[in-house]
Amino acid sequence: EAEVAQSPRYKITEKSQAVAFWCDPISGHATLYWYRQILGQGPELLVQFQDESVVDDSQLPKDRFSAERLKGVDSTLKIQPAELGDSAMYLCASSSPPSTEAFFGQGTRLTVV
Amino acid sequence: DAKTTQPPSMDCAEGRAANLPCNHSTISGNEYVYWYRQIHSQGPQYIIHGLKNNETNEMASLIITEDRKSSTLILPHATLRDTAVYYCIVRAPYNNNDMRFGAGTRLTVKP
Repeated sequence: EAEVAQSPRYKITEKSQAVAFWCDPISGHATLYWYRQILGQGPELLVQFQDESVVDDSQLPKDRFSAERLKGVDSTLKIQPAELGDSAMYLCASSSPPSTEAFFGQGTRLTVV
Repeated sequence: DAKTTQPPSMDCAEGRAANLPCNHSTISGNEYVYWYRQIHSQGPQYIIHGLKNNETNEMASLIITEDRKSSTLILPHATLRDTAVYYCIVRAPYNNNDMRFGAGTRLTVKP
């Protein structure tokens, strides 16, 4: 069964360092989402791509976060510099009509120390 | 902000039906109701979705009220592996609408 792949699965980084997460959506899925999930809360949408274009990044803290999907396939989410409050699970999901449900990866657990 | 309201937690006895409510009183005509669940430390998993008719699949049933302002997810025979956080979301999938989660309902299935 096709899956959304994310790496790394776990990441520990020091405050003020740069960190990057990678997502490979299910083949053929045009829509890709990045979410941040703080422990005990629901996932918070950071950015949504349609192919290589950003559809919604209104919740992305653009002073330190950036996301790209250059060829409309895999995507990278970067944080620079990382802050203690960025410690969270970062989830990637993809979807594509006519199948309207989104499929999630296992996420990257980030700990900033 | 999420467009849905769910109770923060519920308990259910193993083998019994789990009925999880969701209020979405501001739902628009082109918005569907989606349900996902998240088992600890995993990514959310799609369960079911519907527009206005009741839906059933191998995992669950979805009952949507006639006015579409609320819905209930039914797990007919809950098992311990159904312990998870359940999220109700409304979205218009064919409009490239985003998918925003609320806090969900933490369902605990007890032996």
